[in-house]
Parts: sequence; structure tokens; C-alpha cells
Amino acid sequence: EDKVVQSPLSLVVHEGDTVTLNCSYEVTNFRSLLWYKQEKKAPTFLFMLTSSGIEKKSGRLSSILDKKELFSILNITATQTGDSAVYLCAVGFSSGTYKYIFGTGTRLKVLA
Amino acid sequence: GAVVSQHPSWVICKSGTSVKIECRSLDFQATTMFWYRQFPKQSLMLMATSNEGSKATYEQGVEKDKFLINHASLTLSTLTVTSAHPEDSSFYICSAREWRQVSEKLFFGSGTQLSVL
Repeated sequence: EDKVVQSPLSLVVHEGDTVTLNCSYEVTNFRSLLWYKQEKKAPTFLFMLTSSGIEKKSGRLSSILDKKELFSILNITATQTGDSAVYLCAVGFSSGTYKYIFGTGTRLKVLA
Repeated sequence: GAVVSQHPSWVICKSGTSVKIECRSLDFQATTMFWYRQFPKQSLMLMATSNEGSKATYEQGVEKDKFLINHASLTLSTLTVTSAHPEDSSFYICSAREWRQVSEKLFFGSGTQLSVL
């Protein structure tokens, strides 16, 4: 069964802390891994990863993929209250069609 | 970034009626769109893959006759919840895939909150 698992399910930190969110997957014919931030309704795109070992970075956020061990991490440094959200990991794979399934999400709360 | 418009944002209907939700890609052509369902405090569950000009591909356990999907153009996919019942109440969200040379992005609409009375 194709699946995406995220950990931890929830996390509470203080401003300035660094957090690492995990996403592991088991799918047939992996194509891509995407990270999203969901605050209220529509998830907003953060990163897309297709190659192992290449870090993608945007400001305080960075992400890397390990296709051998089948996981990705999302790092957030110097967290701010505005980082409070649910972080979703999606994996794109080909199984008849090329589609995306999501992990359970990690609910992050950053305290002032 | 690319924009996906979803309409309506919320809808309340009586049990037994049908509800249509539209998903449009505003500044790119999307040969493939996806429909997800999200329950409170849970993740997005893929319902179906909508392919322009062909039949949708439904995930296991999703009733094709209940959730009708039409992708008649490169910018529009619709989801019709037929004969809605209270258990169909949920947050429905669409997404569209944009291809850019060697990369891809998946953009989301703002979602539709359906409440069936």
C-alpha cells in the first residue's frame, strides 16, 4: 500500500528554536516529494524535491530528500510565531496515473 | 505564482440535492487536476485524478456515481456531489499541476466547505 508518514504529529516550540519535520514514504515509482504549509484553507507550496542530497533553501526553511532511505526533512531555523501551521508532505508517484498522496501532517505551534 | 480558483467557498444544502464545485487554473493550462477531501484536523485524502478530455481516475473506496468529475477544458474541472447526505459534509479542495520545463508544482484552490443538512 502506498503511504506517506510524517512525524511528529504535533510540536510546540518557542520563538527562535529550530525544528526538524520528518516525512517518510513507501510508494511505487516515486517521482517527486513536495512540502506545503497549511494555515487556514489552501496549502501553500514550499519545496519540490526530486533528487537525493540536494538541499533546497528558502529563507529560514530548507529541505532535503534521501531517496535511498525514502525520507525527507524540512528544517525551520529561528522559528517565529508566523511559522505556526500544519506542514504537509506530499509524494508524487506513478501508479496508473501520476498522482500525489499526502502525509498526516505535522502541526507546529510556535510560542512567543 | 500560479493561481487556482475554487468556487464556491462554502455551500449549505439539503439532503438529497446535488452540489457542483468548480476548479479553475487561472494563468496556466492544467491537463491534470486532483480532488481531495479533508476532515477536521486531518490530512488531505485523494479522491480522484481529473484528466482533461478523458474520464477521471478514482481512488479506491470513492464512489464514482456519487462524486462526478468533469474536466472539459484545460482550465476547468468540476466536482459534483450527487444526492448529498450529511456524511458528505466535508472540506473539498482541488489542485492543479503546472509543468515548467523540468519542474512541476501543485497549486491548490482555496477549498469548499460543504455542509449537508
